[in-house]
Amino acid sequence: SQTIHQWPATLVQPVGSPLSLECTVEGTSNPNLYWYRQAAGRGLQLLFYSVGIGQISSEVPQNLSASRPQDRQFILSSKKLLLSDSGFYLCAWSVGFSLENEQFFGPGTRLTVL
Amino acid sequence: GIQVEQSPPDLILQEGANSTLRCNFSDSVNNLQWFHQNPWGQLINLFYIPSGTKQNGRLSATTVATERYSLLYISSSQTTDSGVYFCAVVSGSARQLTFGSGTQLTVLP
Repeated sequence: SQTIHQWPATLVQPVGSPLSLECTVEGTSNPNLYWYRQAAGRGLQLLFYSVGIGQISSEVPQNLSASRPQDRQFILSSKKLLLSDSGFYLCAWSVGFSLENEQFFGPGTRLTVL
Repeated sequence: GIQVEQSPPDLILQEGANSTLRCNFSDSVNNLQWFHQNPWGQLINLFYIPSGTKQNGRLSATTVATERYSLLYISSSQTTDSGVYFCAVVSGSARQLTFGSGTQLTVLP
């Protein structure tokens, strides 16, 4: 069966510091991978998605970047965090090469920028 | 882009009661999912239901794609059902899920 991991689970960082969040998926090959952010309140917003190694699409201009160095690894980064980067970051995966597919979410990383 | 509206925004029930959550969307969809976000933030997949009806235990869902809405039914609610319920869709050539704003469900003992 497939599993998705995220780490760290929680993170407190000062403004201006760098960020690296990692997501890995097990039990599947060539998945579509996604980064979402949930700010205070309820809405989830797509930040990045990837259909393959090195292929990244950005949905929202921001202070963040994403990379996919391996098939089942997705990294979210920032060179200098802003207060507005605080939130709950969720990684998700779906079966590749299909639009009509179900997405599955990881446990999330709760980021607080002080 | 597609708009997704959920109602009601908040719902408080006594344990054992039944409830219906609604999701309206503004365009045709390729994918519709219902999630339960637990108090720890984990998004739990409830249903993948772009059309038709599905049931899983006390939960069931119906999507009427031609009328652009979906319903989530919770029967005999339990305190562990508390949390936020999200509807999310994929429309057109998009790959990402567009989420509604959720329904906050509180089940009282």
